[in-house]
Amino acid sequence: KNQVEQSPQSLIILEGKNCTLQCNYTVSPFSNLRWYKQDTGRGPVSLTIMTFSENTKSNGRYTATLDADTKQSSLHITASQLSDSASYICVVSHPSGNTPLVFGKGTRLSVIA
Amino acid sequence: DAGVIQSPRHEVTEMGQEVTLRCKPISGHNSLFWYRQTMMRGLELLIYFNNNVPIDDSGMPEDRFSAKMPNASFSTLKIQPSEPRDSAVYFCASSPPGTGGYNEQFFGPGTRLTVL
Repeated sequence: KNQVEQSPQSLIILEGKNCTLQCNYTVSPFSNLRWYKQDTGRGPVSLTIMTFSENTKSNGRYTATLDADTKQSSLHITASQLSDSASYICVVSHPSGNTPLVFGKGTRLSVIA
Repeated sequence: DAGVIQSPRHEVTEMGQEVTLRCKPISGHNSLFWYRQTMMRGLELLIYFNNNVPIDDSGMPEDRFSAKMPNASFSTLKIQPSEPRDSAVYFCASSPPGTGGYNEQFFGPGTRLTVL
């Protein structure tokens, strides 16, 4: 069964610290993997998109890595800010492209002063 | 530029009533997606359209749910009759034409539906 598992479910860190969120998937075949950031009360916003041939992709303080062999991805946040408090959702897609998409349930990150 | 527009932003209704959610995708985008989000299940894809044609509706939970896209700038998601378990946030997203598998989806602000 195609699944995407994210860990931890929730995380609290101090402002300025780094953190890493994990995503393990069993989707096969696999086309691309996306990380979204969802602020409370808003829709998800894309952070990174990686195809199976890409190992890393950065977007400012956000760096996503992908190991297609072990079917694992991580999202690393450097020098966290209060505005990083949000849910981070990992999404894996099949080769057909936009669908079908398999969503993780997200990691809820809280950055505190 | 206006992003994806959804209305209403909040809807409270009683069980058994008909609910219609509306979405205006970003101009020029040719794919439109309806999602449902709950704490228990996270984000779930309900249905998606390409060039106004429904491509995959396997995520639609049951016959009470229906979606239409009469033109490139408008889509509706209807629930009839509504039930308390339909309470969730419903998102609409759109994506532009381009090479398959790499299209970013742009999400609307969502409609929070509460069925009493």
